[in-house]
Amino acid sequence: GEDVEQSLFLSVREGDSSVINCTYTDSSSTYLYWYKQEPGAGLQLLTYIFSNMDMKQDQRLTVLLNKKDKHLSLRIADTQTGDSAIYFCAETHNQAGTALIFGKGTTLSVSS
Amino acid sequence: DTEVTQTPKHLVMGMTNKKSLKCEQHMGHRAMYWYKQKAKKPPELMFVYSYEKLSINESVPSRFSPECPNSSLLNLHLHALQPEDSALYLCASSPGNRDRVYEQYFGPGTRLTVT
Repeated sequence: GEDVEQSLFLSVREGDSSVINCTYTDSSSTYLYWYKQEPGAGLQLLTYIFSNMDMKQDQRLTVLLNKKDKHLSLRIADTQTGDSAIYFCAETHNQAGTALIFGKGTTLSVSS
Repeated sequence: DTEVTQTPKHLVMGMTNKKSLKCEQHMGHRAMYWYKQKAKKPPELMFVYSYEKLSINESVPSRFSPECPNSSLLNLHLHALQPEDSALYLCASSPGNRDRVYEQYFGPGTRLTVT
């Protein structure tokens, strides 16, 4: 079956790097995503990675994918207080209209 | 422009009321979605429309009725809701094209309270 697991909480100091981890079970997943949700707001697509890639970098964000272990991580460099939010890992398949399967979300708390 | 808009932002309704949630996107996306999100939980899929046709209904009670009048609009009609239906209702859209990455863009949500 399909399942996405994340640790629930992460606390870091401003300026440090944050690493949020995710594991998934469906080896046929084609795309993997990271979404950010600030309090009272909708979800913001941060970045995504194709399953045939190992790494993707986008400014302060680095996504690492280990297909063998079905492990996905999101690294945020120079974490700021504005990065405090819930981060959801999600997966989907290469078919039109197929919905996202979300992890439970990791709450990132950044202290100054 | 990657904006999905939703109205209203907040809605309070009684269990006997009828109301509608609205969602709009002008990105030319052909797949649109309704999700329900309870506090501190991930979004749960309710409905998927692909090319204006309902393609997925995740066993949602009939008191929730979706409608897709055209490729830019998605409605969710509400009738005889229960207090446990109180949640954040999120709309999303995606290109729905096999040659494109299926990233979904979410609206800000409608915070629904059923009294």
